[in-house]
Amino acid sequence: DVVMTQSPLSLPVTLGQPASISCRSSQSLIHSNGDTYLNWFQQRPGQSPRRLMYRVSNRDSGVPDRFSGSGSGTDFTLTISRVEAEDVGVYYCMQGTHWPRSFGQGTKVEIK
Amino acid sequence: EVQVLESGGDLVQPGGSLRLSCAASGFTFSDYVMNWVRQAPGKGLEWVSLIDNSGGATYYAASVKGRFTISRDNSKNTLYLQMNSLRDEDTAIYYCAKDLQLDVWGQGTTVTVSS
Repeated sequence: DVVMTQSPLSLPVTLGQPASISCRSSQSLIHSNGDTYLNWFQQRPGQSPRRLMYRVSNRDSGVPDRFSGSGSGTDFTLTISRVEAEDVGVYYCMQGTHWPRSFGQGTKVEIK
Repeated sequence: EVQVLESGGDLVQPGGSLRLSCAASGFTFSDYVMNWVRQAPGKGLEWVSLIDNSGGATYYAASVKGRFTISRDNSKNTLYLQMNSLRDEDTAIYYCAKDLQLDVWGQGTTVTVSS
């Protein structure tokens, strides 16, 4: 099974400053069709998860452009260019290339 | 608006059974793969199961294989999860999520397994 490893697990950030979350997979996430199925989800306190990014770097509708995704193969990054108060929550990466699907452990973003 | 709405969560004893439902609206249900994902109290997300758009192919996490069965009724726009031989460790919020890459999630339904 593919293991997804996120770091850090806790990320205190200052409002207006950038933040980055790393996600590494134990196998390449390049599918046989050439696409890379690495998604990012945000879970605000008390809410359901919401998908932010799909296929590494594509923002979902309504996601602010301060969120960006990058990476390839086994190493991926979610970046928030300027953190706002509404960004507090837990962020998960998930691979959708291999069976079974798997999530990272989650990174808790909080305001300093 | 594209929505999915879970129901059926309850308190059940170890060894018991429960069936969850997920009602879909705002999209052509029969065109999409559907998933179940769960979250134990204070823990992260765990993918549980997926069913293809016709119901002909299903996939399961090792932790539930042989105990849980995913199914769908495209005439009712509804996804199901039949859970048998429930264990304490199955206690979680269960979410349904649309599509191969989980683009839309419901609010979840809570399953508690306890004597």
